[in-house]
Amino acid sequence: ETGVTQSPTHLIKTRGQQVTLRCSSQSGHNTVSWYQQALGQGPQFIFQYYREEENGRGNFPPRFSGLQFPNYSSELNVNALELDDSALYLCASSLRPGPYEQYFGPGTRLTVT
Amino acid sequence: AQSVTQLGSHVSVSEGALVLLRCNYSSSVPPYLFWYVQYPNQGLQLLLKYTSAATLVKGINGFEAEFKKSETSFHLTKPSAHMSDAAEYFCAVSETGAAGNKLTFGGGTRVLVKP
Repeated sequence: ETGVTQSPTHLIKTRGQQVTLRCSSQSGHNTVSWYQQALGQGPQFIFQYYREEENGRGNFPPRFSGLQFPNYSSELNVNALELDDSALYLCASSLRPGPYEQYFGPGTRLTVT
Repeated sequence: AQSVTQLGSHVSVSEGALVLLRCNYSSSVPPYLFWYVQYPNQGLQLLLKYTSAATLVKGINGFEAEFKKSETSFHLTKPSAHMSDAAEYFCAVSETGAAGNKLTFGGGTRVLVKP
């Protein structure tokens, strides 16, 4: 059974640029959630996708957007990058929406300069 | 909205000693609670979960947690610390609402294990 994978591992971007992060969910999981973890803090919920539709969103601006594909993999897109966007971005998958355990990938470390 | 508070951002224990990490939550409905561990430069690994089946929950690596409704707590313990337990630990509550189904995390507790 393959776990959650994310790419790339690390990324350095300049303020104002755009970035796309990718996630493959665990086999059999149809729900993907994205979290932002700033240095020294707990993860913050960005949004969740279920059956290719956004299924909920945290307190993040519209320049954070996402997609889910028919194979349940997902992308996180961030436009007009700001210095405060520097963080570890975590993808998590679960069997379905609801209060179920979420399984996390290793994350993508984004640095904005 | 639900929230999670972890008391103590850093905990130092000797190898072989008890590990106790504190977590308090606020929730207007019966909560689903989780503990995750994060090793340096890695993602989060699920240690255990509470889903109302039993108040004492056993997880991986010898960890367990007890749900106490009267205290709104879900503290994590391990009887005997091992060097490999050095990591950051996060308590989380699952919330379903307008924002969908999300995990709300505490600020984390970093555990240092001394030989």
